[in-house]
Amino acid sequence: NAGVMQNPRHLVRRRGQEARLRCSPMKGHSHVYWYRQLPEEGLKFMVYLQKENIIDESGMPKERFSAEFPKEGPSILRIQQVVRGDSAAYFCASSPPGNEKLFFGSGTQLSVL
Amino acid sequence: AQSVSQHNHHVILSEAASLELGCNYSYGGTVNLFWYVQYPGQHLQLLLKYFSGDPLVKGIKGFEAEFIKSKFSFNLRKPSVQWSDTAEYFCAVIFSGGYNKLIFGAGTRLAVHP
Repeated sequence: NAGVMQNPRHLVRRRGQEARLRCSPMKGHSHVYWYRQLPEEGLKFMVYLQKENIIDESGMPKERFSAEFPKEGPSILRIQQVVRGDSAAYFCASSPPGNEKLFFGSGTQLSVL
Repeated sequence: AQSVSQHNHHVILSEAASLELGCNYSYGGTVNLFWYVQYPGQHLQLLLKYFSGDPLVKGIKGFEAEFIKSKFSFNLRKPSVQWSDTAEYFCAVIFSGGYNKLIFGAGTRLAVHP
């Protein structure tokens, strides 16, 4: 059973471009969480999704950021018109329903030039 | 506001030294407590967790943590560290009603010198 898969591992974008980060949860996991880790800071919750539903997006910036978890395929975190301050490590975690244990992916390091 | 504080951002130890990393959280309700470790270049791994029962929790790799409800603390300990324990350690809390929404501390970077 493969772990949580995130790709790409590293993503470089210029200011104003779009960034798309992908997360494939573990088999059987229908809950996905996205976290952002800024330099010298801990992981900050961004959004919690279940299949086709956004449950909690209280940690998402109001503009430019969106997330989805379609019925088929990976969860996508999309950042439009990236700025330098978006540079961070973005982690995805998944869990099966009713289980408190989250399994984390290796993260995507986004660098905005 | 719900928050998690880790007191030490950077810790440097020699091998065989004892380790204690502090973690405090806000809020007085029911909590689930976790310690995660992130080795260089790797993803987060769960070290140990506390939901209920014995407040002294044993984890992997010789780590343990003690939940002290009156102090809102969940400190991580290891009697004798090894060079391979060099990593970043994160305390995390699920506050009651927060489903699996982990609130993380800022992390502590541990460097163990041979």
